[in-house]
Amino acid sequence: EPEVTQTPSHQVTQMGQEVILRCVPISNHLYFYWYRQILGQKVEFLVSFYNNEISEKSEIFDDQFSVERPDGSNFTLKIRSTKLEDSAMYFCASSDGSFADTQYFGPGTRLTVL
Amino acid sequence: DQQVKQNSPSLSVQEGRISILNCDYTNSMFDYFLWYKKYPAEGPTFLISISSIKDKNEDGRFTVFLNKSAKHLSLHIVPSQPGDSAVYFCAASGFRSGNTGKLIFGQGTTLQVKP
Repeated sequence: EPEVTQTPSHQVTQMGQEVILRCVPISNHLYFYWYRQILGQKVEFLVSFYNNEISEKSEIFDDQFSVERPDGSNFTLKIRSTKLEDSAMYFCASSDGSFADTQYFGPGTRLTVL
Repeated sequence: DQQVKQNSPSLSVQEGRISILNCDYTNSMFDYFLWYKKYPAEGPTFLISISSIKDKNEDGRFTVFLNKSAKHLSLHIVPSQPGDSAVYFCAASGFRSGNTGKLIFGQGTTLQVKP
Protein backbone atom coordinates (compact mmCIF):
# COMPACT_ATOMS: atom_id res chain seq x y z
CA GLU A 1 0.00 0.00 0.00
CA PRO A 2 1.40 3.43 -0.95
CA GLU A 3 2.56 5.52 1.99
CA VAL A 4 4.08 8.87 2.81
CA THR A 5 7.67 8.66 3.99
CA GLN A 6 9.69 11.20 5.93
CA THR A 7 13.37 11.62 6.71
CA PRO A 8 15.05 11.90 9.09
CA SER A 9 12.98 10.37 11.86
CA HIS A 10 14.80 12.52 14.43
CA GLN A 11 16.79 15.69 13.90
CA VAL A 12 18.74 17.44 16.63
CA THR A 13 20.06 20.91 15.89
CA GLN A 14 21.45 23.96 17.60
CA MET A 15 19.37 27.11 17.86
CA GLY A 16 19.97 29.35 14.86
CA GLN A 17 20.88 26.51 12.52
CA GLU A 18 19.01 25.66 9.33
CA VAL A 19 17.20 22.36 9.00
CA ILE A 20 15.54 20.67 6.06
CA LEU A 21 12.87 18.08 6.66
CA ARG A 22 12.14 15.78 3.76
CA CYS A 23 9.02 14.00 2.64
CA VAL A 24 8.09 11.72 -0.22
CA PRO A 25 4.31 11.98 -0.73
CA ILE A 26 2.19 9.27 -2.31
CA SER A 27 3.08 9.28 -6.00
CA ASN A 28 -0.23 10.22 -7.64
CA HIS A 29 -1.17 12.83 -5.06
CA LEU A 30 -1.43 16.48 -5.98
CA TYR A 31 -1.87 18.29 -2.66
CA PHE A 32 0.84 18.42 -0.05
CA TYR A 33 0.82 19.64 3.52
CA TRP A 34 3.01 20.16 6.55
CA TYR A 35 1.66 20.00 10.08
CA ARG A 36 3.37 20.05 13.41
CA GLN A 37 2.58 18.85 16.89
CA ILE A 38 4.31 20.36 19.88
CA LEU A 39 4.49 17.89 22.74
CA GLY A 40 1.17 17.71 24.55
CA GLN A 41 -0.62 19.96 22.08
CA LYS A 42 -2.88 19.42 19.09
CA VAL A 43 -1.74 18.84 15.53
CA GLU A 44 -1.48 22.25 13.81
CA PHE A 45 -1.59 23.12 10.13
CA LEU A 46 1.49 24.88 8.76
CA VAL A 47 1.19 25.07 4.99
CA SER A 48 -0.53 23.58 1.96
CA PHE A 49 1.08 23.28 -1.46
CA TYR A 50 -0.48 22.66 -4.85
CA ASN A 51 0.66 23.13 -8.42
CA ASN A 52 4.14 24.14 -7.28
CA GLU A 53 3.03 26.97 -5.08
CA ILE A 54 1.80 27.62 -1.57
CA SER A 55 -1.99 27.67 -1.50
CA GLU A 56 -2.39 28.52 2.16
CA LYS A 57 -0.18 29.06 5.18
CA SER A 58 -0.87 29.56 8.85
CA GLU A 59 0.38 32.37 11.04
CA ILE A 60 3.01 29.98 12.35
CA PHE A 61 4.54 29.74 8.88
CA ASP A 62 6.56 32.94 8.97
CA ASP A 63 9.55 34.03 6.89
CA GLN A 64 11.78 31.48 8.61
CA PHE A 65 9.85 28.68 6.93
CA SER A 66 9.83 27.66 3.29
CA VAL A 67 8.64 24.68 1.28
CA GLU A 68 9.82 23.29 -1.99
CA ARG A 69 9.13 20.45 -4.35
CA PRO A 70 12.58 20.21 -5.93
CA ASP A 71 11.74 17.24 -8.13
CA GLY A 72 8.79 15.04 -8.95
CA SER A 73 8.89 13.10 -5.72
CA ASN A 74 10.29 15.09 -2.78
CA PHE A 75 8.57 17.76 -0.74
CA THR A 76 10.72 19.66 1.75
CA LEU A 77 10.21 21.98 4.68
CA LYS A 78 13.12 24.31 5.50
CA ILE A 79 13.49 26.25 8.71
CA ARG A 80 16.21 28.86 8.16
CA SER A 81 17.12 29.77 11.71
CA THR A 82 15.66 27.40 14.24
CA LYS A 83 14.32 28.54 17.58
CA LEU A 84 13.78 26.55 20.75
CA GLU A 85 10.02 26.75 20.20
CA ASP A 86 10.37 25.00 16.82
CA SER A 87 10.94 21.74 18.69
CA ALA A 88 8.04 19.52 17.68
CA MET A 89 6.96 16.56 15.58
CA TYR A 90 6.59 17.63 11.97
CA PHE A 91 4.20 15.65 9.80
CA CYS A 92 3.96 15.68 6.05
CA ALA A 93 0.65 14.73 4.43
CA SER A 94 -0.67 14.34 0.92
CA SER A 95 -4.01 13.89 -0.80
CA ASP A 96 -5.28 13.38 -4.31
CA GLY A 97 -7.77 16.23 -3.95
CA SER A 98 -10.76 14.18 -4.95
CA PHE A 99 -14.12 14.56 -3.28
CA ALA A 100 -13.00 12.13 -0.62
CA ASP A 101 -10.39 14.62 0.46
CA THR A 102 -8.50 12.35 2.77
CA GLN A 103 -4.99 13.26 3.75
CA TYR A 104 -2.46 10.55 4.42
CA PHE A 105 0.26 11.32 6.91
CA GLY A 106 3.88 10.31 7.14
CA PRO A 107 5.44 8.96 10.35
CA GLY A 108 6.84 12.37 11.27
CA THR A 109 10.22 13.92 12.02
CA ARG A 110 10.98 14.78 15.59
CA LEU A 111 12.88 18.07 15.61
CA THR A 112 14.78 18.94 18.75
CA VAL A 113 16.33 22.41 18.95
CA LEU A 114 18.95 22.85 21.67
CA ASP B 1 -9.02 29.28 18.27
CA GLN B 2 -10.77 26.03 19.11
CA GLN B 3 -12.88 25.35 16.05
CA VAL B 4 -12.75 21.61 16.70
CA LYS B 5 -13.06 20.32 20.24
CA GLN B 6 -12.77 16.93 21.80
CA ASN B 7 -13.84 17.52 25.36
CA SER B 8 -12.91 14.12 26.74
CA PRO B 9 -9.15 13.73 27.03
CA SER B 10 -9.47 10.03 27.81
CA LEU B 11 -11.85 7.09 27.65
CA SER B 12 -11.55 3.60 29.06
CA VAL B 13 -13.74 0.69 27.94
CA GLN B 14 -13.79 -3.08 28.30
CA GLU B 15 -12.88 -5.26 25.37
CA GLY B 16 -15.97 -6.19 23.38
CA ARG B 17 -17.97 -3.16 24.46
CA ILE B 18 -18.73 -0.05 22.44
CA SER B 19 -16.38 2.94 22.44
CA ILE B 20 -17.94 6.32 21.66
CA LEU B 21 -15.66 9.25 20.97
CA ASN B 22 -17.16 12.69 20.58
CA CYS B 23 -16.20 15.82 18.72
CA ASP B 24 -17.79 19.28 18.43
CA TYR B 25 -17.09 22.00 15.91
CA THR B 26 -18.01 25.64 15.63
CA ASN B 27 -17.34 26.56 12.01
CA SER B 28 -20.38 25.93 9.79
CA MET B 29 -18.13 26.12 6.69
CA PHE B 30 -16.63 22.75 7.51
CA ASP B 31 -17.98 20.17 5.08
CA TYR B 32 -15.74 17.16 5.54
CA PHE B 33 -14.86 15.41 8.77
CA LEU B 34 -12.28 12.75 9.47
CA TRP B 35 -11.13 10.57 12.30
CA TYR B 36 -7.48 9.65 12.69
CA LYS B 37 -5.86 7.21 15.05
CA LYS B 38 -2.38 7.86 16.37
CA TYR B 39 0.10 5.70 18.21
CA PRO B 40 3.06 7.29 20.05
CA ALA B 41 5.96 8.24 17.74
CA GLU B 42 3.87 7.58 14.62
CA GLY B 43 1.91 9.77 12.25
CA PRO B 44 -1.90 9.98 12.30
CA THR B 45 -3.51 7.07 10.47
CA PHE B 46 -6.74 7.72 8.60
CA LEU B 47 -9.69 5.75 9.96
CA ILE B 48 -12.95 6.98 8.54
CA SER B 49 -14.53 10.15 7.16
CA ILE B 50 -17.90 11.69 6.48
CA SER B 51 -19.10 14.40 4.17
CA SER B 52 -21.56 17.00 5.37
CA ILE B 53 -24.17 15.68 2.95
CA LYS B 54 -24.40 12.48 5.00
CA ASP B 55 -25.28 11.76 8.59
CA LYS B 56 -23.69 8.33 8.91
CA ASN B 57 -20.79 6.42 7.44
CA GLU B 58 -19.85 2.89 8.38
CA ASP B 59 -16.69 0.88 7.76
CA GLY B 60 -16.47 -2.43 9.54
CA ARG B 61 -16.32 -1.87 13.27
CA PHE B 62 -16.16 1.91 12.85
CA THR B 63 -19.16 4.19 12.35
CA VAL B 64 -19.14 7.95 12.28
CA PHE B 65 -22.30 9.93 12.94
CA LEU B 66 -22.72 13.58 12.01
CA ASN B 67 -25.32 15.89 13.52
CA LYS B 68 -25.00 19.13 11.57
CA SER B 69 -27.61 21.04 13.53
CA ALA B 70 -25.71 20.33 16.74
CA LYS B 71 -22.31 20.64 15.04
CA HIS B 72 -21.39 17.35 16.60
CA LEU B 73 -19.88 14.13 15.36
CA SER B 74 -19.09 10.87 17.06
CA LEU B 75 -17.05 7.79 16.31
CA HIS B 76 -18.42 4.43 17.42
CA ILE B 77 -16.16 1.43 17.65
CA VAL B 78 -17.92 -1.86 18.20
CA PRO B 79 -16.73 -4.24 19.41
CA SER B 80 -13.71 -2.53 20.92
CA GLN B 81 -10.44 -4.44 20.87
CA PRO B 82 -7.23 -3.91 22.87
CA GLY B 83 -5.45 -3.01 19.61
CA ASP B 84 -7.77 0.00 19.33
CA SER B 85 -5.97 1.63 22.27
CA ALA B 86 -4.51 4.84 20.85
CA VAL B 87 -5.14 8.56 20.60
CA TYR B 88 -8.06 9.43 18.33
CA PHE B 89 -8.19 12.78 16.59
CA CYS B 90 -11.20 14.38 15.02
CA ALA B 91 -10.39 16.72 12.11
CA ALA B 92 -12.42 18.98 9.85
CA SER B 93 -11.90 20.72 6.54
CA GLY B 94 -13.82 23.08 4.28
CA PHE B 95 -12.30 22.10 0.96
CA ARG B 96 -15.38 22.78 -1.10
CA SER B 97 -16.00 26.01 0.75
CA GLY B 98 -12.95 27.71 -0.74
CA ASN B 99 -10.53 26.37 1.82
CA THR B 100 -7.40 24.61 0.59
CA GLY B 101 -8.13 21.38 2.37
CA LYS B 102 -6.19 22.14 5.51
CA LEU B 103 -7.33 20.03 8.41
CA ILE B 104 -8.25 21.54 11.75
CA PHE B 105 -7.66 19.00 14.49
CA GLY B 106 -9.20 18.49 17.89
CA GLN B 107 -7.05 17.90 20.92
CA GLY B 108 -7.43 14.15 20.78
CA THR B 109 -8.97 11.51 23.04
CA THR B 110 -6.86 8.70 24.45
CA LEU B 111 -8.78 5.45 24.25
CA GLN B 112 -7.79 2.54 26.43
CA VAL B 113 -9.46 -0.80 25.76
CA LYS B 114 -8.98 -3.19 28.65
CA PRO B 115 -8.82 -6.95 28.01
